Amino acid sequence: QITLKESGPTLVRPTQTLTLTCTFSGFSLNTNGVGVGWIRQPPGKAPEWLALIYWDDDKRYSPSLKSRLTISKDTFKNQVVLSLSNMDPVDTARYYCAHRDTPTRPFQNAFHIWGQGTMVTVSS
Amino acid sequence: DIQMTQSPSSVSASVGDRVTITCRASQDISKWLAWYQQKPGEAPKLLIYGASSLQSGVPSRFSGSGSGTDFTLTITNLQPEDFATYYCQQAKSSPPWTFGQGTKVDMK
Repeated sequence: QITLKESGPTLVRPTQTLTLTCTFSGFSLNTNGVGVGWIRQPPGKAPEWLALIYWDDDKRYSPSLKSRLTISKDTFKNQVVLSLSNMDPVDTARYYCAHRDTPTRPFQNAFHIWGQGTMVTVSS
Repeated sequence: DIQMTQSPSSVSASVGDRVTITCRASQDISKWLAWYQQKPGEAPKLLIYGASSLQSGVPSRFSGSGSGTDFTLTITNLQPEDFATYYCQQAKSSPPWTFGQGTKVDMK
């Protein structure tokens, strides 16, 4: 059974750097094709794709946030870490990590399993 | 960036109805499209990938179609547990990926 759980601060001050950890089980980030991504969702709004890291350490970022984002993995600890610098109140959102399975069928790209998310508020 | 536009933004329906939601991409994404269902207080749940492939465990009353820039999610015989918000997501082979703005299905 695949599970993911996000952890990190619930309150961040403006200009600070947010660091979130996704701890997962039921799969390995050493497995060919697997990826873990981060998505955020402000209250009452649509999800926003942030970043994705693949088994081979290939990293992809949202173009609009690329300068502020860093994603990394620790395959021994089964963790993926996301950092978002220079936080602003508009970054207030629920942050999710999610599993991207190894594609076995055509066009099988999606986030198959999501964590419960962690709410992050940016306020002074 | 590829923009995803969903319509309508909300739809009122009754149990047993057929509901259709559309999603349009700002450029050709072939069949690199996924649909998610989200209920209040929960994470999104994958329903369909590859525009029309049903994720394991998802009821067959959900179906998807389309390719290129125009896509459709159809729910036939709407059930009480289907009242939720639905999002499309373009998931081209090379990210970044983007979500639509959502369609809320509520009770008439």
